[in-house]
Amino acid sequence: ELVLTQSPATLSLSPGERATLSCRASQSVSRYLAWYQQKPGQAPRLLIYDASSRATGIPARFSGSGSGTDFTLTISSLEPEDFAVYYCQQRSNWPWTFGPGTKVDIK
Amino acid sequence: EVQLVETGGGLIQPGGSLRLSCAVSGFTVSSDYMSWVRQAPGKGLEWVSVIYRGGSTDYADSVKGRFTISRDNSKNTLYLQMNSLRAEDTAVYYCAKDSGSLWGQGTLVTVSS
Repeated sequence: ELVLTQSPATLSLSPGERATLSCRASQSVSRYLAWYQQKPGQAPRLLIYDASSRATGIPARFSGSGSGTDFTLTISSLEPEDFAVYYCQQRSNWPWTFGPGTKVDIK
Repeated sequence: EVQLVETGGGLIQPGGSLRLSCAVSGFTVSSDYMSWVRQAPGKGLEWVSVIYRGGSTDYADSVKGRFTISRDNSKNTLYLQMNSLRAEDTAVYYCAKDSGSLWGQGTLVTVSS
């Protein structure tokens, strides 16, 4: 099974700061990597698919980059509603897998 | 309106069976691949099963042989038949469209005696 590792586990930042989240795959997933945001009691929301394409309705402050085994989600300037857990997910190999998540909380 | 609505969760004893439904509106259930994803309480996400446009299916090893994904085009509904349930199957179960562009609100399955 393809394993995704996310770092850091927790990121403590203030509104307006830049957030950089990392996702590393145990083998190449090409660009079949997505990022999700999840808030307590809510379903995940797709932010980025195919490594760098923003999903419908996602603000431009969210951007994704990377290919192969190393990927990054960047939030250019944190808004109050961005404090949540972020998961990466690959659909290169079945079973599709998620990373363990990065929690972005308020400093 | 494009949406997914899951139903069918509840409390079930170990070894029991349950069928989850995901009512699809705003698009055709067979027009794209559809999935079930689960999240145990306080834990991360696990992609459980997928049914592709052509009808083929895939399952996580943890549920293979116990769960069956299917769809009814006439009812525009996705299903997950869960048999031989175990305590470790306790989770919120979400249905999702294609690569996760749309999710339902989830339905909680609790397996406990």
